[in-house]
Amino acid sequence: SQQGEEDPQALSIQEGENATMNCSYKTSINNLQWYRQNSGRGLVHLILIRSNEREKHSGRLRVTLDTSKKSSSLLITASRAADTASYFCATDEGYSTLTFGKGTMLLVSP
Amino acid sequence: GAVVSQHPSWVICKSGTSVKIECRSLDFQATTMFWYRQFPKQSLMLMATSNEGSKATYEQGVEKDKFLINHASLTLSTLTVTSAHPEDSSFYICRASDNGPYEQYFGPGTRLTVT
Repeated sequence: SQQGEEDPQALSIQEGENATMNCSYKTSINNLQWYRQNSGRGLVHLILIRSNEREKHSGRLRVTLDTSKKSSSLLITASRAADTASYFCATDEGYSTLTFGKGTMLLVSP
Repeated sequence: GAVVSQHPSWVICKSGTSVKIECRSLDFQATTMFWYRQFPKQSLMLMATSNEGSKATYEQGVEKDKFLINHASLTLSTLTVTSAHPEDSSFYICRASDNGPYEQYFGPGTRLTVT
């Protein structure tokens, strides 16, 4: 069953703009992860945030986690055309089981 | 970083035939392997979890007699789609875990098309 729900479902922006994607989940988690997937390709792990963390940065990526609201956000700053992909959040409830959300399709136009 | 490979990358088969997909962990011992299925423009859905030497645990709605999973060694798991039908056409992705803290690695996926 799917736990994470991302919004928006799809997002189209211009290069240089920031992109924000949100993820909501339903149960308690050990950590939450964000992945990128280019069309028809495998998953690329972007960032992991643990349940006791509130914010994490990695390059142009910023992830927040609000366990009280059971939500997370992924911010991509200064987007590039190469950022065009689908982005998924995945929750780890323990036992290494990952449950994926429906994903956000991001299109960055030059 | 750790590498997980899948073979084949893509396969086209006729309806009614069986297809075997391999997932290998190349530089670590995968205590647990997970198999996911992804239909076009949809998210990844967990099909089953397998621990080395044990029977796989299947998610609700996944037919264990149709999707045979074998995890005979710490570096290899196989998914066999038996009597494949066009509705089985999908992207199959494995994930390998050594059960270390937060360590998990995805394979590149196998695209199956059943004609």
